[in-house]
Amino acid sequence: SAVISQKPSRDICQRGTSLTIQCQVDSQVTMMFWYRQQPGQSLTLIATANQGSEATYESGFVIDKFPISRPNLTFSTLTVSNMSPEDSSIYLCSVEVYNEQFFGPGTRLTVL
Amino acid sequence: AQSVTQPDIHITVSEGASLELRCNYSYGATPYLFWYVQSPGQGLQLLLKYFSGDTLVQGIKGFEAEFKRSQSSFNLRKPSVHWSDAAEYFCAVGGDSGGYQKVTFGTGTKLQVIP
Repeated sequence: SAVISQKPSRDICQRGTSLTIQCQVDSQVTMMFWYRQQPGQSLTLIATANQGSEATYESGFVIDKFPISRPNLTFSTLTVSNMSPEDSSIYLCSVEVYNEQFFGPGTRLTVL
Repeated sequence: AQSVTQPDIHITVSEGASLELRCNYSYGATPYLFWYVQSPGQGLQLLLKYFSGDTLVQGIKGFEAEFKRSQSSFNLRKPSVHWSDAAEYFCAVGGDSGGYQKVTFGTGTKLQVIP
């Protein structure tokens, strides 16, 4: 299994600003994933982050808006840039261990 | 492309009654299938998973699910619902995407339990 922590757990931000979300895993993992869960919606994969290489983004998500860092095998950050109210969501980090995905508690972002 | 359909957005059951949440998937090969639960303000918790073998899988909290290839379904069941089961339930399908598993989630079913 894997235990994942995220910081911050929640934040309220002004439009036009940026927020960086941190994800820490208690074991080394190859792939880390970032998801978005908009209010009342399901989870949508934003990107997949492999240590030492650029993240792979899903359709509809771009690096300029959601830059991701993956400096080592236990840590990743997701930045939500130039925020608008439409970015208000829960952002979740996850990892895959033996074909099972484990999720962090999420970061609840509200953009005013 | 893989996809998951959860046809029921909202279900209400009485405490003690049986429960079945429906899930249909689309995937070209044998899929990895999951059910997750998300309680209000909580993260996602894995209830159960199917990778291969016995098509009836047992999970935590008394839940089970049955994989039916012919119907492309993976319905979640519980014989007797408890008030604490009120939550949102997500079915998900995982498929190989070049060395890692890409997981696609359904839209979720919100379960309400009434006394």
